[in-house]
Amino acid sequence: DVKVTQSSRYLVKRTGEKVFLECVQDMDHENMFWYRQDPGLGLRLIYFSYDVKMKEKGDIPEGYSVSREKKERFSLILESASTNQTSMYLCASNPLEGAEGYTFGSGTRLTVV
Amino acid sequence: AQKITQTQPGMFVQEKEAVTLDCTYDTSDPSYGLFWYKQPSSGEMIFLIYQGSYDQQNATEGRYSLNFQKARKSANLVISASQLGDSAMYFCAMSGFGNEKLTFGTGTRLTIIP
Repeated sequence: DVKVTQSSRYLVKRTGEKVFLECVQDMDHENMFWYRQDPGLGLRLIYFSYDVKMKEKGDIPEGYSVSREKKERFSLILESASTNQTSMYLCASNPLEGAEGYTFGSGTRLTVV
Repeated sequence: AQKITQTQPGMFVQEKEAVTLDCTYDTSDPSYGLFWYKQPSSGEMIFLIYQGSYDQQNATEGRYSLNFQKARKSANLVISASQLGDSAMYFCAMSGFGNEKLTFGTGTRLTIIP
């Protein structure tokens, strides 16, 4: 069964901490994405990557960075966590071609206190 | 830029009735894809159905069908014979040319009443 795995289901961090959210896919997909989900706002794209070491900003990149050193792993980094980054974070991947190929992880609910 | 609009924040439907969830979109891309996802309370995003902009026929997958009206820029999801397990959040989304990233709507919370 194909999978996108997010390392943590729930995280609680303190304001100012550096936070790493990890995502691993086992489908050899080229594209990987980080979304943030908030009530009433739907899912918003933070960053995406279409190849190793390649990244592009999404709609709301401020306060975030990403790393993709290996094809299967895409990390989201909060350099200095703030309370307004409390949210559900969803990782996804899809192959270069394939409309139905988007696969999502189960999400990480991050609370910044 | 792409935009998805879902105007129904919540819906309550009697079990076994058909449900239509509304979705309108806006894009300048000549080629695009439209998606519907289901998100139950567990949080996972479950792919339901896909419609390509050049597809002549409306997409169907079991009890799900996508009512695609290109001129109106609408892509409504129809669920036939609703079940209690259909209670969830539903998101409409679209991808542009190149199929790189999805733009999502704000979602509709569907509750099926026994």
